[in-house]
Amino acid sequence: EAQVTQNPRYLITVTGKKLTVTCSQNMNHEYMSWYRQDPGLGLRQIYYSMNVEVTDKGDVPEGYKVSRKEKRNFPLILESPSPNQTSLYFCASGRLNTEAFFGQGTRLTVV
Amino acid sequence: SQQGEEDPQALSIQEGENATMNCSYKTSINNLQWYRQNSGRGLVHLILIRSNEREKHSGRLRVTLDTSKKSSSLLITASRAADTASYFCAQFYSTLTFGKGTMLLVSP
Repeated sequence: EAQVTQNPRYLITVTGKKLTVTCSQNMNHEYMSWYRQDPGLGLRQIYYSMNVEVTDKGDVPEGYKVSRKEKRNFPLILESPSPNQTSLYFCASGRLNTEAFFGQGTRLTVV
Repeated sequence: SQQGEEDPQALSIQEGENATMNCSYKTSINNLQWYRQNSGRGLVHLILIRSNEREKHSGRLRVTLDTSKKSSSLLITASRAADTASYFCAQFYSTLTFGKGTMLLVSP
């Protein structure tokens, strides 16, 4: 089954404690992307990747890191999480100019 | 950056009525896509319309595209309570960007 898998689905953490949200796709897509969704602000892009070892900043990259060492994985790293990073996060993958597939989301709370 | 803007921000209708949502965008496009999001869940692709198409149908969905006005509309006919969701337009050219969405509430 074609899918994008994010883990964990829910996470509560404390300020400053490094965390990683994983994203994996099984469709051999070149493109992968991370978004955060906050009430009234829609989906804002954090980082995206056009292929292995190629990553670019989106609209809100501050406080986040990503890596793309393998085609299927695109982890999102928060080196020192802060409360303003409390949000709902989505990973997506696809091929340009075709449909994109989304993970189920990760609800992160930073206290 | 967010290239598409949906209008209205929220829409409330009764079952059986039609729902129309609009999207305006800023740059030239190869295609425009519509997605649906049920509360708190991942987005699901609904339909893609290419820049050389003016109208496209999929079941109860009808999408139109006017490249001269840089706008698109999504029409859901004979709406159902299960259509209650947020709807987003998106462009997937050099990257995938979304508008803020339209929240549709369909009451029984």
